[in-house]
Amino acid sequence: DAKTTQPPSMDCAEGRAANLPCNHSTISGNEYVYWYRQIHSQGPQYIIHGLKNNETNEMASLIITEDRKSSTLILPHATLRDTAVYYCIVRVGANQGGKLIFGQGTELSVKP
Amino acid sequence: KAGVTQTPRYLIKTRGQQVTLSCSPISGHRSVSWYQQTPGQGLQFLFEYFSETQRNKGNFPGRFSGRQFSNSRSEMNVSTLELGDSALYLCASSLGGASDEQFFGPGTRLTVL
Repeated sequence: DAKTTQPPSMDCAEGRAANLPCNHSTISGNEYVYWYRQIHSQGPQYIIHGLKNNETNEMASLIITEDRKSSTLILPHATLRDTAVYYCIVRVGANQGGKLIFGQGTELSVKP
Repeated sequence: KAGVTQTPRYLIKTRGQQVTLSCSPISGHRSVSWYQQTPGQGLQFLFEYFSETQRNKGNFPGRFSGRQFSNSRSEMNVSTLELGDSALYLCASSLGGASDEQFFGPGTRLTVL
């Protein structure tokens, strides 16, 4: 069973920041939060991951609450090419490589 | 560096047949995981192989099996195909550590008639 809850869909205006929320209230202390996106049935693309600190890379920022029960993925300047399904995932069994348990994701539509 | 490759990209089989799918990981990656994606169930974890050993397993029947070779390439086999096995099968490779990201291939689209 998925360990995360996300809104099924969101809209964002092109050029604006897209903030995608995720709840993971049952996360364990050694489990990482990962974000992937999937564009039109291609293979999922890795975006970012974190354990408890906020993380930033060239694609996005990940904000994890202090109690680790929720997080937000931020795309600072969304473009039309960012339209995709975004998955927030808790990596289960991190001590042994772990497996990704996907939920239903959030379908983000970036509009001109 | 070349990405994860999967062959074949498309496959059509009939019920009762068996199928073998192949995945070549990124060079240097020792972990290969397999996932099934269907419209109804979404993305579901099948199993993970690391250094030729199955390290994690999802909740799929024994008709689904896999193996990994010494060069880290992996194969997945489905025996006695059912209509419900029609799906996009994705493999992902990683270095295998607890926080290493997984890189996905383009998938194999299997249709069972």
